[in-house]
Amino acid sequence: DARVTQTPRHKVTEMGQEVTMRCQPILGHNTVFWYRQTMMQGLELLAYFRNRAPLDDSGMPKDRFSAEMPDATLATLKIQPSEPRDSAVYFCASGLVLQGGRGNQPQHFGDGTRLSIL
Amino acid sequence: DAKTTQPPSMDCAEGRAANLPCNHSTISGNEYVYWYRQIHSQGPQYIIHGLKNNETNEMASLIITEDRKSSTLILPHATLRDTAVYYCIVRVKTGNQFYFGTGTSLTVIP
Repeated sequence: DARVTQTPRHKVTEMGQEVTMRCQPILGHNTVFWYRQTMMQGLELLAYFRNRAPLDDSGMPKDRFSAEMPDATLATLKIQPSEPRDSAVYFCASGLVLQGGRGNQPQHFGDGTRLSIL
Repeated sequence: DAKTTQPPSMDCAEGRAANLPCNHSTISGNEYVYWYRQIHSQGPQYIIHGLKNNETNEMASLIITEDRKSSTLILPHATLRDTAVYYCIVRVKTGNQFYFGTGTSLTVIP
């Protein structure tokens, strides 16, 4: 089965360091989502892209977070500088959305990057 | 966005059917109901989705009421590996965003 691949699976770093998380979406999917999961907030949508263009990043702290899709096979989420409150599991998901935003195809998730900021 | 309401937790005996309810009384006519589950330390896993008709696949069945205000996910023969948090989600009309609520924590008991 095709899968969304996320790297690294685990990351521990000190406050102030830059963190880069990577995601390889399922081949043929045109939409990529970034989520964050914490015990307090549950699963939150941070940003999403369609055909590599950012469509919505309203859930993402703009001052330190950035999301990009350098090409169709790679999505990145960067935090600079990182803070302890950024500790969470970050999930990437991909899906196929038809022209005009219609369609009912499900999203498929990777197994996440577990980030700990000390 | 249609809000979903699920019980926070449920138990089910191994081998029995697990019936997980979800209320979505404000659902719009063209919004689908999706079910995902999340096993500890893994990403959410897609289970099934539907619009108005009942659906069945190799994992589960989805029963949607005629007025579409509620649905039930049925795992016909629950196993210990079905222990997970189950999320009922109504997809927004555009953009394909999914908004996850708090879900139902299902524990399958031996």
